[in-house]
Amino acid sequence: EPEVTQTPSHQVTQMGQEVILRCVPISNHLYFYWYRQILGQKVEFLVSFYNNEISEKSEIFDDQFSVERPDGSNFTLKIRSTKLEDSAMYFCANNGDSSPMVGYTFGSGTRLTVV
Amino acid sequence: AQSVTQLGSHVSVSEGALVLLRCNYSSSVPPYLFWYVQYPNQGLQLLLKYTTGATLVKGINGFEAEFKKSETSFHLTKPSAHLSDAAESFCAVRALTGGGNKLTFGTGTQLKVEL
Repeated sequence: EPEVTQTPSHQVTQMGQEVILRCVPISNHLYFYWYRQILGQKVEFLVSFYNNEISEKSEIFDDQFSVERPDGSNFTLKIRSTKLEDSAMYFCANNGDSSPMVGYTFGSGTRLTVV
Repeated sequence: AQSVTQLGSHVSVSEGALVLLRCNYSSSVPPYLFWYVQYPNQGLQLLLKYTTGATLVKGINGFEAEFKKSETSFHLTKPSAHLSDAAESFCAVRALTGGGNKLTFGTGTQLKVEL
C-alpha cells in the first residue's frame, strides 16, 4: 500500500531555531496537508496545499510557518523561529483527489521537541 | 463549520467484550465522516469512512460504524475486543470548504483492553 514518508521521526531543537520537516508524498497525489498534535490534545489542521500554493490555512499557521515543494516531489513545513509551544507531533497527509469523500494517507509523523 | 465531539477520553473493556466509541458531529452541510486509529508511536491509520450510501460501514480489523443523521452520530463499534485493539481513535468530519477540504478531528478516545 502506498505510503507517505516523513523525516525525521524525531527532532529536538532549541527555541528560536529554524526547523524543516520533510514529507515524501505518494506519487501523483497532489493534495498535501500538514496537521499537528500537541501531546494529549486533538489533531489540528495547519495547512492545505495544491498546485504550488496554499489552499487553506488555520489560525495556527502564522507567519512563522511556511510550506513548499522545493523539488517538485518533497513537501516541507518550515518553522522559522521555534517556540516552546511548537512542540508537537506533526503529520503530513496526502491524497490524489480533492473530493471530500476521499480519505487522506497520513505519514507516521515527526515528533518535534523545542527546548 | 463543522465540529466533532467524542464522549469519553478513555474507554476500558475486557478482551472479548463489545467496544463502543462515541462520536457526535456538527456540520452545516452533508458530512463525510471518518475514524482514524493511532497505535503507539505510529501515525494515523484510516479505520473506516462514511461518504454516501449505506449508513453502516465496515472497516479494518473488525470495526464498523453507523451513520445516524437523526442523532448526528457516528459511533464506532467492534463486537469482540482484542488486546491488539488498544490504541487511540479519532473521529473526524470533512466537508468541502473552499479549496481545502480539511479534516476536523475530535479529541480522541484511548481504548484500553484488559485480560
